Amino acid sequence: QVQLVESGGGLVKPGGSLRLSCAASGFTFSDYYMSWIRQAPGKGLEWVSYISSSGGTVYYADSVKGRFTISRDNGKKSLDLEMNSLRAEDTAVYYCARVKYSYGYLDYWGQGTLVTVSS
Amino acid sequence: SYVLTQSPSVSVAPGQTARITCGGNNIGSKSVHWYQQRPGQAPVLVVYDDSDRPSGIPERFSGSNSGNTATLTISRVEAGDEADYYCQVWDSSSDYVFGTGTKVTVL
Repeated sequence: QVQLVESGGGLVKPGGSLRLSCAASGFTFSDYYMSWIRQAPGKGLEWVSYISSSGGTVYYADSVKGRFTISRDNGKKSLDLEMNSLRAEDTAVYYCARVKYSYGYLDYWGQGTLVTVSS
Repeated sequence: SYVLTQSPSVSVAPGQTARITCGGNNIGSKSVHWYQQRPGQAPVLVVYDDSDRPSGIPERFSGSNSGNTATLTISRVEAGDEADYYCQVWDSSSDYVFGTGTKVTVL
């Protein structure tokens, strides 16, 4: 069965960096686009970033553009999110999700990893 | 940027029907997807492409989309349906857009 397991969350100071990872299993990872979505405490869902199956195309929300970098390793079946210049407003649970087709729906989600940005 | 608006909350008695709306400019021209998020859990896809259901999702969940409003309908509501529900579309100028979310309370 499809499984997505995020890791790498934690407490970081404003201006700091963190790298999140998502380990995929149960499907042919290299066939699918992937995405990161976040949810601030008590708030709704916010799309963060998206990467094509080959990794050649990436998109970012304006709120993270220039600070976050999405990447993938199809051989290792892993998806990463490098987060730099972190701000308090980046505090959220970060989910990775599989994209069913390009620009399509998110059919499987991981359980999420919490990132807290605080001094 | 493209905006999706949902009513903050809906309350419904067990066995009744809950209707959750998602408003957006000409949303009927887009494919709408719906996610259920129970407290403390990750979102789960319940309806995709306006009205299709993933395997394992009960037939009680249905969707429609026309004009400026998409609707998720939950028939014969059960206690386990109590959750937050989010609509989502892809827009060429805004990429992935989520609605503001609707909290469904089962009385």
